[in-house]
Amino acid sequence: AQSVTQPDIHITVSEGASLELRCNYSYGATPYLFWYVQSPGQGLQLLLKYFSGDTLVQGIKGFEAEFKRSQSSFNLRKPSVHWSDAAEYFCAVGASGGFKTIFGAGTRLFVKA
Amino acid sequence: DSGVTQTPKHLITATGQRVTLRCSPRSGDLSVYWYQQSLDQGLQFLIQYYNGEERAKGNILERFSAQQFPDLHSELNLSSLELGDSALYFCASSPPSRTSGEQETQYFGPGTRLLVL
Repeated sequence: AQSVTQPDIHITVSEGASLELRCNYSYGATPYLFWYVQSPGQGLQLLLKYFSGDTLVQGIKGFEAEFKRSQSSFNLRKPSVHWSDAAEYFCAVGASGGFKTIFGAGTRLFVKA
Repeated sequence: DSGVTQTPKHLITATGQRVTLRCSPRSGDLSVYWYQQSLDQGLQFLIQYYNGEERAKGNILERFSAQQFPDLHSELNLSSLELGDSALYFCASSPPSRTSGEQETQYFGPGTRLLVL
């Protein structure tokens, strides 16, 4: 069965600093991988997705993620964090059919001035 | 704005009552998913419909039911409500694309916040 783990419940970074949010997955084949962001009281917004091909994917809002098959990871990165990036971030792993998409528990990002 | 709409935005009701949450998917999307998000349980998948038919069930209680109508909008019915049903309920939709991965990409609505008193 597939699963996804976000090891960090919350992370605090300074504005302007770089960010890396970790995501590890378990799946027998090449999964479909997603990162979503949820601002307080809002729905989940798709940041980026990986299906195949280039293992470094670019998303919206300056985010990128790298798929590393050997480490079963799909970490989200941003070179310089803005205060508006404070939110909860969810990693998700999916398989064909959509209904097998599993979401991680989320990582809450705090940004300090 | 994802293009997925949900109504109402907020709902306050009492224990034992029944409510209906409504979702309209993005134009052209055939799949609708329902999720429950609470502080202690996180984001839980409830059920998926594809073009009017139930495709998959997750952690959906027997007191809950859903359906997808011919115009593809969906409703989630919650009955015999309990205090623990207070949560955010999200609807998501995905496109029918045959491109690998695209039909697995879910777009979320803004959610309905349910408070059971």
